[in-house]
Amino acid sequence: GENVEQHPSTLSVQEGDSAVIKCTYSDSASNYFPWYKQELGKRPQLIIDIRSNVGEKKDQRIAVTLNKTAKHFSLHITETQPEDSAVYFCAASTGSYIPTFGRGTSLIVHP
Amino acid sequence: GAVVSQHPSRVICKSGTSVKIECRSLDFQATTMFWYRQFPKQSLMLMATSNEGSKATYEQGVEKDKFLINHASLTLSTLTVTSAHPEDSSFYICSAGGGIDRVRGYTFGSGTRLTVV
Repeated sequence: GENVEQHPSTLSVQEGDSAVIKCTYSDSASNYFPWYKQELGKRPQLIIDIRSNVGEKKDQRIAVTLNKTAKHFSLHITETQPEDSAVYFCAASTGSYIPTFGRGTSLIVHP
Repeated sequence: GAVVSQHPSRVICKSGTSVKIECRSLDFQATTMFWYRQFPKQSLMLMATSNEGSKATYEQGVEKDKFLINHASLTLSTLTVTSAHPEDSSFYICSAGGGIDRVRGYTFGSGTRLTVV
């Protein structure tokens, strides 16, 4: 089955800095890569996603890149704000759309 | 957009009792619902996948007799934790899929914090 590795497990940045979270996947058949933000005790919220036919996608301060050859994808957050503090999960899925989640990254943005 | 409602949000029960958690898709028909379990500071672990009108498919290591899943309609799935024990204490989250865009059909419920005392 699919295996998703996510790094780092904890990321601490100063407000205004950029944050990068990286994930790798094992199943070359995976073609959909969503990213979720989860605040403490709340449901995961989809923040951005990318499909395998696209190399990069951007939405305001958030961007995701995908390297299919290397089987890795990354989340980039620019100009971080304290409200960006949360746990971020990457995921990978095939056409069956049951995603396999990474272990999560706890992002802390210090004001 | 798609809305998934999950109840209760918090429940405390005594060891040995059973707890039922409901997951409803409010504005779309969810042909498939997923149940996840999440321990503190850990990722979402898929427990089972349920399709409306058929038996749930459980992930390896998940006891189907302990975690009973019923998906009787296109808008409702229930997870019953039977004979709960303290080690069952966790955050349980459902998500619902279906509709036209099956690839993106992944809307999460708000989660249920189960504490077994």
